Amino acid sequence: DAGVTQSPTHLIKTRGQQVTLRCSPKSGHDTVSWYQQALGQGPQFIFQYYEEEERQRGNFPDRFSGHQFPNYSSELNVNALLLGDSALYLCASSLTAVGYYEQYFGPGTRLTVT
Amino acid sequence: AQSVSQHNHHVILSEAASLELGCNYSYGGTVNLFWYVQYPGQHLQLLLKYFSGDPLVKGIKGFEAEFIKSKFSFNLRKPSVQWSDTAEYFCAVNGYNTDKLIFGTGTRLQVFP
Repeated sequence: DAGVTQSPTHLIKTRGQQVTLRCSPKSGHDTVSWYQQALGQGPQFIFQYYEEEERQRGNFPDRFSGHQFPNYSSELNVNALLLGDSALYLCASSLTAVGYYEQYFGPGTRLTVT
Repeated sequence: AQSVSQHNHHVILSEAASLELGCNYSYGGTVNLFWYVQYPGQHLQLLLKYFSGDPLVKGIKGFEAEFIKSKFSFNLRKPSVQWSDTAEYFCAVNGYNTDKLIFGTGTRLQVFP
């Protein structure tokens, strides 16, 4: 049973560039959430996708956008990168049908903006 | 505002010592509470969770936590830590009908043999 997978593992980008991160949910899950974890901080909720639509959003600017595909996998896009976007980006999956209870996290993508 | 506070930022213990990590939350309404652990080089893993019922919940690896509603607390405990418990521990909360998790800033636990 495959867990949550994310790609790439590491990424280095320059200020102003755009980046796309990818996530495949745990087998059987239909909901994907994205979190940003800055160094020394707890993860912060970016947004959540369910049925290919953004269902909830945290306090992140519109530069952060996402997508969910029919196979439940998801992408996180960040435009006009800032140095402050450097962080570990975590994807978590869950199954909405069993309630809003438990999320399973992937290993994350480490984004460095120079 | 919804928030989670973890007062212990860095805890250093010797093996066999007892552990208690504090967690307080601010959240209106019914809550679900979680402790996640992040071992060095590994991803976040669920240690234990509280949804309802018995306020004393037991998790993996001998950890337990007690939900005290009147104190808005969900402290994590372990009677005797091991070197392998060295990790970062995060307390998190979400509300009824949402699985948006709000995390604390984490507690780094170092256990020395």
